[in-house]
Amino acid sequence: DAMVIQNPRYQVTQFGKPVTLSCSQTLNHNVMYWYQQKSSQAPKLLFHYYDKDFNNEADTPDNFQSRRPNTSFCFLDIRSPGLGDAAMYLCATSEQGKGQAFFGQGTRLTVV
Amino acid sequence: DQQVKQNSPSLSVQEGRISILNCDYTNSMFDYFLWYKKYPAEGPTFLISISSIKDKNEDGRFTVFLNKSAKHLSLHIVPSQPGDSAVYFCAASGDSGGSNYKLTFGKGTLLTVNP
Repeated sequence: DAMVIQNPRYQVTQFGKPVTLSCSQTLNHNVMYWYQQKSSQAPKLLFHYYDKDFNNEADTPDNFQSRRPNTSFCFLDIRSPGLGDAAMYLCATSEQGKGQAFFGQGTRLTVV
Repeated sequence: DQQVKQNSPSLSVQEGRISILNCDYTNSMFDYFLWYKKYPAEGPTFLISISSIKDKNEDGRFTVFLNKSAKHLSLHIVPSQPGDSAVYFCAASGDSGGSNYKLTFGKGTLLTVNP
């Protein structure tokens, strides 16, 4: 059974056109993360929620926003996608202090 | 500034032999280390972890070794199987920022196990 579900799996968007990626979880974990992974690079943490508390990484561009309306759902909004934002976006969850994070299958974003 | 480094982008081994994947870290506040496995077009899946109070953790064919003084860990897979072919990420948590649930990843090592 899927525990962290990301939709869509593949997303094509136009340069500058806002796009939203979604993530849902059935684990009831209090921490949710968004990572960006470009080819041959390490997954890079963009931000995370600890319950409703939003934590932005210092180097995450303002172009990236996130919403967590409830425990189960989290959204990644890219306000004006550029060509450099093409990447795999990974959502993950964890229980605080447990260390292990559970990942979704990712959304491959293409910007044209 | 990479805090978790996997210096070998790729590794190729024969089926049945041992695969050894290496990882180095620079942040002495890291106290929990994980290995993830990733197939193409899928998200990473958790493989095995180790706490800094241990120097070895074993789970079936997979063993992780931690050398804190050298800030080095390794993943051993014995015997290697073709289905083990994937990208392996090393990750660490417990940095000085107090967010002990944030994972910092290495760039990954592509393991290919040849039949």
